[in-house]
Amino acid sequence: EAGVTQSPTHLIKTRGQQATLRCSPISGHTSVYWYQQALGLGLQFLLWYDEGEERNRGNFPPRFSGRQFPNYSSELNVNALELEDSALYLCASSRYLAGLTGELFFGEGSRLTVL
Amino acid sequence: QQPVQSPQAVILREGEDAVINCSSSKALYSVHWYRQKHGEAPIFLMILLKGGEQKGHDKISASFNEKKQQSSLYLTASQLSYSGTYFCGTENSGGSNYKLTFGKGTLLTVNP
Repeated sequence: EAGVTQSPTHLIKTRGQQATLRCSPISGHTSVYWYQQALGLGLQFLLWYDEGEERNRGNFPPRFSGRQFPNYSSELNVNALELEDSALYLCASSRYLAGLTGELFFGEGSRLTVL
Repeated sequence: QQPVQSPQAVILREGEDAVINCSSSKALYSVHWYRQKHGEAPIFLMILLKGGEQKGHDKISASFNEKKQQSSLYLTASQLSYSGTYFCGTENSGGSNYKLTFGKGTLLTVNP
């Protein structure tokens, strides 16, 4: 069974541009989570999607947005890029469990560098 | 609210034991533990729910003290393969508003 796949693996942008990152969850998983992993800060929660809806978001500005498609794949968009947006962006998927985040299966991430 | 992990880093010799702690300033609903090796995706270890249960998985176990709002991960007779960064994730409420918030991680290095 294929794991969570993310693309692109690496992305280089300049300040002010927009970046789009993509994620395909494990087959049968309806929930997709996005995390930002910047050096020394751990995994910062960005967004959670389930069944096409945004269920929760972390403490990030509105220029971080995304969506989930009918096939449960997801896209993360970062507008007006800033230098501090440089980080590894991890996507994870899980089966939806009412009232509890279940086991997350992470992809290998997309490394975004903002120059 | 990001949980606080301690220590930030620990170096062991193969066969030694280690404890990694995770504490929250808010009431905990669940605690999750993950391990991430350099350049790889984080891998799930275990989930603990409120109720003070202890879970085990080979020589890695964890406890959850709901009263103290903290969890501890115990690595017994460490192996080289245990090296990596360990993250605890916490949920402070259940239901549709939940989100899993991770600590900054504990870097564990096991040497021969």
